[in-house]
Amino acid sequence: QKEVEQNSGPLSVPEGAIASLNCTYSDRGSQSFFWYRQYSGKSPELIMSIYSNGDKEDGRFTAQLNKASQYVSLLIRDSQPSDSATYLCAVIPGGFKTIFGAGTRLFVKA
Amino acid sequence: GAGVSQTPSNKVTEKGKYVELRCDPISGHTALYWYRQSLGQGPEFLIYFQGTGAADDSGLPNDRFFAVRPEGSVSTLKIQRTERGDSAVYLCASSLQGSGANVLTFGAGSRLTVL
Repeated sequence: QKEVEQNSGPLSVPEGAIASLNCTYSDRGSQSFFWYRQYSGKSPELIMSIYSNGDKEDGRFTAQLNKASQYVSLLIRDSQPSDSATYLCAVIPGGFKTIFGAGTRLFVKA
Repeated sequence: GAGVSQTPSNKVTEKGKYVELRCDPISGHTALYWYRQSLGQGPEFLIYFQGTGAADDSGLPNDRFFAVRPEGSVSTLKIQRTERGDSAVYLCASSLQGSGANVLTFGAGSRLTVL
């Protein structure tokens, strides 16, 4: 079992819709969770971090964490074509090493 | 510097050659990471430095790979006897300090192609 698992997609949504991206992780002791966005040919950039159970909202983005289910999600409201990218779920299972999932490709159709 | 700087941006080499990739982190960031990313995959952890010392090198695939950070700032990833399977984008990231709330800032990457 991979440490961080994501559906590779692609996930295709129409402009203005809600995009829902999901991630599961294997280490129950993990405390820090992140979503990074990576445009094609570019490096990952942080869009959200979450450390406690529940929802965390930042503009059009909402991260959701359920430690009991070992599940992290990212919702993107009012999706725009500029949101088309690969979204990487990342977890720090312990210590300082960040482990990344393989990423979910998102396409937002205009 | 203002961001994480990586050189070279592209490196093409022949199988068996030696390669060095350089990373200059954000000024004041004590933690530095190297990752490797293959097409369609997420970044794969290689090594983490806190200051000058390698705090975790568990991701280095074999003894052909080595990294140093002698003065606690610039780091060099060294690959000996390169193989075609080493072809990937090598990403460097830094953070203010190693902690459980670590947020990484990545450089643009060094694309290595081994022919």
